[in-house]
Amino acid sequence: NAGVTQTPKFRVLKTGQSMTLLCAQDMNHEYMYWYRQDPGMGLRLIHYSVGEGTTAKGEVPDGYNVSRLKKQNFLLGLESAAPSQTSVYFCASSYPQGTQYFGPGTRLTVL
Amino acid sequence: AQKITQTQPGMFVQEKEAVTLDCTYDTSDPSYGLFWYKQPSSGEMIFLIYQGSYDQQNATEGRYSLNFQKARKSANLVISASQLGDSAMYFCAMSPYTGRRALTFGSGTRLQVQP
Repeated sequence: NAGVTQTPKFRVLKTGQSMTLLCAQDMNHEYMYWYRQDPGMGLRLIHYSVGEGTTAKGEVPDGYNVSRLKKQNFLLGLESAAPSQTSVYFCASSYPQGTQYFGPGTRLTVL
Repeated sequence: AQKITQTQPGMFVQEKEAVTLDCTYDTSDPSYGLFWYKQPSSGEMIFLIYQGSYDQQNATEGRYSLNFQKARKSANLVISASQLGDSAMYFCAMSPYTGRRALTFGSGTRLQVQP
């Protein structure tokens, strides 16, 4: 049972480049989330999805887009990366009133 | 809106002793869940314990217990018989039972267990 997986684990981008982070879960969870964690802080919500084909903005959505074409996958895109997007990105999934389980994280550096 | 406050940036505890990590929260939601997560130096977020706002009894999971005082809006984590492997960052978080149900996190407490 893999739980929540994230790819890639590490990435270095140059300012202006684009990339997509992939989150996959095998627990049949309806809800999926993308958070970012900056040094010395807790996680902050970027975007979330309450079901296949639906997405919504969180607290810090600027500069990111998401898609949920399949129930098990939640993609986070950076169209034009900026140094301020250097962070660790976590994906999580849950049942509607269940505990959120997190992926291992993606460490992104934007130069 | 919800807010989580963890006032202890760092804590030290001797191995085999108990330690309490403080968490206070603020919310206008009538029902909500409170969570604690552990983040070791390897970086992953590990779920430890959950408390529902309507639960009458404090939650326990092995050596972890959650001291829930609703009137004071506090949800402290108690770790009994600390082990060296307990050294990590600990985050308190909450989510409402309605809407997006996303977690709001505190800034964390770094616990160091000393032999």
